[in-house]
Amino acid sequence: QKEVEQDPGPLSVPEGAIVSLNCTYSNSAFQYFMWYRQYSRKGPELLMYTYSSGNKEDGRFTAQVDKSSKYISLFIRDSQPSDSATYLCAMSKSGTASKLTFGTGTRLQVTL
Amino acid sequence: DTEVTQTPKHLVMGMTNKKSLKCEQHMGHRAMYWYKQKAKKPPELMFVYSYEKLSINESVPSRFSPECPNSSLLNLHLHALQPEDSALYLCASSQDEPGQANNEQFFGPGTRLTVL
Repeated sequence: QKEVEQDPGPLSVPEGAIVSLNCTYSNSAFQYFMWYRQYSRKGPELLMYTYSSGNKEDGRFTAQVDKSSKYISLFIRDSQPSDSATYLCAMSKSGTASKLTFGTGTRLQVTL
Repeated sequence: DTEVTQTPKHLVMGMTNKKSLKCEQHMGHRAMYWYKQKAKKPPELMFVYSYEKLSINESVPSRFSPECPNSSLLNLHLHALQPEDSALYLCASSQDEPGQANNEQFFGPGTRLTVL
């Protein structure tokens, strides 16, 4: 069993839809959670960074962490075609320089 | 400024060549990382420098050699690579301040490496 599970998609939604992306993890030692957006052939871009259970909002993005269920989510409101990318969840066990464990990434396509 | 820069953007090399990838950040971060990413896969950690001290992923072959000249620069020296080493090589940095929670990793745009 992988430490971090993420549905690879592809996920196709119409413009304006609310998108829900999810990851589950098995190791309760993970304490820090990140969501990255990666366009094709580019480096990952950090979208959200959280380290406590609950919600964190930034513009159209909301990150949700449920440590009791070992489940994290990223919600995108009013999705745009420019949101079409691969979304990677990542997590680490320590706040200091340490290995990030990534999900496989979910490919999102927002259609006009 | 959350920018990590990498050069070159693209590199094609033969199996007998020696080349270097370069990474730079000016955010005052004290940890820098090299990742390898194959198509449709997540990044895999190769090396970490934290306060200029190296940690290695032991599965990385010795034909990859990192160097950290100072806290802002990170190089990856390549020698006698194989075609399966073709990938996107990503550099990242983080603040790595002990006792602080703001240690998120910021990635550069990557170097796309092709080994012939």
